[in-house]
Amino acid sequence: NAGVMQNPRHLVRRRGQEARLRCSPMKGHSHVYWYRQLPEEGLKFMVYLQKENIIDESGMPKERFSAEFPKEGPSILRIQQVVRGDSAAYFCASSPGTVKLNTEAFFGQGTRLTVV
Amino acid sequence: QQPVQSPQAVILREGEDAVINCSSSKALYSVHWYRQKHGEAPVFLMILLKGGEQKGHEKISASFNEKKQQSSLYLTASQLSYSGTYFCGTENRDDKIIFGKGTRLHILP
Repeated sequence: NAGVMQNPRHLVRRRGQEARLRCSPMKGHSHVYWYRQLPEEGLKFMVYLQKENIIDESGMPKERFSAEFPKEGPSILRIQQVVRGDSAAYFCASSPGTVKLNTEAFFGQGTRLTVV
Repeated sequence: QQPVQSPQAVILREGEDAVINCSSSKALYSVHWYRQKHGEAPVFLMILLKGGEQKGHEKISASFNEKKQQSSLYLTASQLSYSGTYFCGTENRDDKIIFGKGTRLHILP
């Protein structure tokens, strides 16, 4: 059973371009969480999705950022018109149920986005 | 609301003990502890759900106080492999884990 798969591991974009980050949850997991991590800082919650639904996007910037988790395929975090401040590591985590049911979340290896 | 972790950083010699604290201004539903090594994914350690609960994982254990506003992670007889950043995450029945800023632990041989 493969773990949470994120790709690409490293992504370089010029200012103004679009960044697409992919996350394939563990088999059987239908809950996906996205976090952003700046160097030497904690994991900042961005969005929580279930299949085809955004449950909580309270941590997502209102503009340029969007996320989806289609019925088929990976979850996508999309950042339009990237700026230097978007440079960070983006982690995806998945769980088989909601974390309030005492289930652990498994993290992927992250995508390190660098905006030049 | 982000939980507060203390200390921010700890340097120990191999074999020494450490305690990492995580606190909230409000009662929590659960606390999740993770360890992250540099450049790697956070790895799950344990979840605490009940007030007064204690859990162990070899020489790493944790407690959740009765009021469910504070949790502590205990590392006993630390090993070099314990080095990393420890995060506590709190969940308040809203289906998401909010993490503290982390505690960096460095073990010297």
